[in-house]
Amino acid sequence: DIVMTQSPDSLAVSLGERATINCKSSQTVLYRSNNKNYLAWYQQKPGQPPKLLIYWASTRESGVPDRFSGSGSGTDFTLTISSLQAEDVAVYYCQQFYTIPLTFGGGTKVEI
Amino acid sequence: QVQLQESGPGLVKPSETLSLNCTVSGGSINSGTYYWAWIRQPPGKGLEWIGSFYHSGSTYYNPSLKSRVTISTDTSKNQFSLKMTSVTAADTAFYYCARLGMIRGAFKAFDYWGQGALATVSP
Repeated sequence: DIVMTQSPDSLAVSLGERATINCKSSQTVLYRSNNKNYLAWYQQKPGQPPKLLIYWASTRESGVPDRFSGSGSGTDFTLTISSLQAEDVAVYYCQQFYTIPLTFGGGTKVEI
Repeated sequence: QVQLQESGPGLVKPSETLSLNCTVSGGSINSGTYYWAWIRQPPGKGLEWIGSFYHSGSTYYNPSLKSRVTISTDTSKNQFSLKMTSVTAADTAFYYCARLGMIRGAFKAFDYWGQGALATVSP
């Protein structure tokens, strides 16, 4: 199985400041045939299902604010919230689609 | 707009079978553009992929659950189902159904999710 390791487990960021979440996979999730990283980021607020933010490591889902950005390739990835808003308080998960079983990171809780 | 809705008993006894349905509206589970999936989340914990299927009949399961899980479909109702046998307290979780999007043959991500159904395993 590909193990997805997120860091930190939690972080507190002031409003308007940058939040950075890291995700490391135990093996590459870069699919050579199409040069796409099969890595997604989700946001989950209490009592809600996860919401897709980023796919292919850096492509923002339609309707997601541009303060959210993803970067990285191969085994190391980052989700950045450039200017934290109150509504961004949530748990964030990374996930790989490279191979079965599909696996998620343990989550990073972002607080104000 | 695609919508998914889970349904099923909220309480299951240990050793019995957990059964859940996912009804899809706004899109067909027979579409060749998407896979469909079950994912679970124990209260306060992380996410675990249970399994996925494609309209062709291909089904994929998490090896850790494969011996106890079956995903099936009812295309007449645009619905798919999860059955998990021999449940224990460790199977208590929110169970989500979701759509796995694809773009030009490449997996995208789980782009639509149901609201989730809590299944509690208790005597």
